[in-house]
Amino acid sequence: EDKVVQSPLSLVVHEGDTVTLNCSYEVTNFRSLLWYKQEKKAPTFLFMLTSSGIEKKSGRLSSILDKKELFSILNITATQTGDSAVYLCAVDNYGQNFVFGPGTRLSVLP
Amino acid sequence: EADIYQTPRYLVIGTGKKITLECSQTMGHDKMYWYQQDPGMELHLIHYSYGVNSTEKGDLSSESTVSRIRTEHFPLTLESARPSHTSQYLCASSGAGVDTQYFGPGTRLTVL
Repeated sequence: EDKVVQSPLSLVVHEGDTVTLNCSYEVTNFRSLLWYKQEKKAPTFLFMLTSSGIEKKSGRLSSILDKKELFSILNITATQTGDSAVYLCAVDNYGQNFVFGPGTRLSVLP
Repeated sequence: EADIYQTPRYLVIGTGKKITLECSQTMGHDKMYWYQQDPGMELHLIHYSYGVNSTEKGDLSSESTVSRIRTEHFPLTLESARPSHTSQYLCASSGAGVDTQYFGPGTRLTVL
């Protein structure tokens, strides 16, 4: 059965801290891994990763994929209160459907 | 920017009513999805479609049904709503090849 696991499930930090969110997966036909940020409503897209070892960056956020070890990390540096959200990891199993992890709830305190 | 729409955004109804949640997208995507998400909980796939006249049940058992008569439209129907159906329903779509899922704004359903 296809599965995506995220850790930690919940994380509380202070502004300025750096956090690393983890996502590991077991899927039969991997095509891509995606990270989303969900605040109150629908998830918003952050990154899509298809190749191992190539870091994607967007401002203070970055992510990398390891297809050999079947995991990805999402890094957020110099966190701000606006980074507080649930971060979702999902895997596209070659167009069958997207398998979502349970999410990591990040709370950034001022 | 993604062009995927859901209506209504909020719905409060009584037990036993039949309801249809609408989802439409203007991106020409073949694949569409319905997710159910309780507050603070993870997303659960309840239905998906690869194209017109193609629908499949997702991982979470649901009493809802879906139809896909047109590419752009993927409505979800509850024949007889119950309080246990109270949840947020998110619609998403994705294109061919390697692509992200685009999410609609969601419908928050409350069944009294």
